[in-house]
Amino acid sequence: EPEVTQTPSHQVTQMGQEVILRCVPISNHLYFYWYRQILGQKVEFLVSFYNNEISEKSEIFDDQFSVERPDGSNFTLKIRSTKLEDSAMYFCATNRESSTEAFFGQGTRLTVV
Amino acid sequence: EDQVTQSPEALRLQEGESSSLNCSYTVSGLRGLFWYRQDPGKGPEFLFTLYSAGEEKEKERLKATLTKKESFLHITAPKPEDSATYLCAVQARNTDKLIFGTGTRLQVFP
Repeated sequence: EPEVTQTPSHQVTQMGQEVILRCVPISNHLYFYWYRQILGQKVEFLVSFYNNEISEKSEIFDDQFSVERPDGSNFTLKIRSTKLEDSAMYFCATNRESSTEAFFGQGTRLTVV
Repeated sequence: EDQVTQSPEALRLQEGESSSLNCSYTVSGLRGLFWYRQDPGKGPEFLFTLYSAGEEKEKERLKATLTKKESFLHITAPKPEDSATYLCAVQARNTDKLIFGTGTRLQVFP
């Protein structure tokens, strides 16, 4: 069964550093998303990406964050100047069409120290 | 504001003891309601999508139903391997994002 692959599974970084989280979507999927889940809290939407551009973003997704699809396969989330409160599980999700089920990756646990 | 509320927060069942999880929602035009299962430290695993009131879907011991204000996930004769957090999410008509509830943590004891 095809799946969404995320790397790394766990990243520890110092406050103020930049991190890049990577996702390999399911091959025929066109819609890509990043969500995050702070420990013990809800899964929260960050950004959606379609046709090589951001289609929607939440209030959380400020200038500290950026997304791109650099090589047609990987989908990345860059977090600049990380803060302690950025510590969370970050999930990539993809689906074929905007109204169908989204498949989630296993997540990257980001710990900012 | 679009919102999802799930209850109960936690549920402990004996193996074989059927029960239901509730998801109440308010949304500005429902495009879809989604149920996911999440195991500790893992990503949400898709279970069902429901699109309109009256719709029902089944998968093994799980059955999801939908009304205009809420959805139920019925678990029939659960087994210990059904232990997980069950997440409900809605998608409104004018957006692609999912809005999640806080989930129901289900524990099934043998």
